[in-house]
Amino acid sequence: TAGITQAPTSQILAAGRSMTLRCTQDMRHNAMYWYRQDLGLGLRLIHYSNTAGTTGKGEVPDGYSVSRANTDDFPLTLASAVPSQTSVYFCASSEQGINQPQHFGDGTRLSIL
Amino acid sequence: GENVEQHPSTLSVQEGDSAVIKCTYSDSASNYFPWYKQELGKGPQLIIDIRSNVGEKKDQRIAVTLNKTAKHFSLHITETQPEDSAVYFCAAIYGNNRLAFGKGNQVVVIP
Repeated sequence: TAGITQAPTSQILAAGRSMTLRCTQDMRHNAMYWYRQDLGLGLRLIHYSNTAGTTGKGEVPDGYSVSRANTDDFPLTLASAVPSQTSVYFCASSEQGINQPQHFGDGTRLSIL
Repeated sequence: GENVEQHPSTLSVQEGDSAVIKCTYSDSASNYFPWYKQELGKGPQLIIDIRSNVGEKKDQRIAVTLNKTAKHFSLHITETQPEDSAVYFCAAIYGNNRLAFGKGNQVVVIP
């Protein structure tokens, strides 16, 4: 099974441009999450969705937006990229909520120049 | 985040020896404590988790212990093998709506 699929795997983006990171899951999980991973800071939650049609802000939501039109897809958008958004982005899902195992994709490495 | 701390940041062990990583957390209401393993270029993968109603859980060479009074939990890897070399993250629920991750431990198993 594919689990979580993220695209693209890596991207170089000019500052000020917009970008959407894609995330699709085939496990019919209700909850989905976006994290960024930076050296020395671990994983930090950007946005989450407990079920299709709902979203919430995580620890570091500024500069990012998400949507959850259906169960499978949870895209993350950077409306106007800045260099501080250079990071590795991970999408994850869990069957219901935060007290259940999360399944992660292999990440998108994003560099903002 | 800073609500979950991991010690040590780097751990080197001889193949066959045991490795122990300890995490402390701050939210006394936390009731779920997973451990993730991350290999280079991959996403984190759950290896074991424990809930607050038990003190210990074991799965083959991996075990996790939880001390709710002291607010710390530990990952134990016995008979370490080279494939155990990775970054390990602990996590705990914070504020009832977020899973807070520690900053990770680099474990190096020396053949």
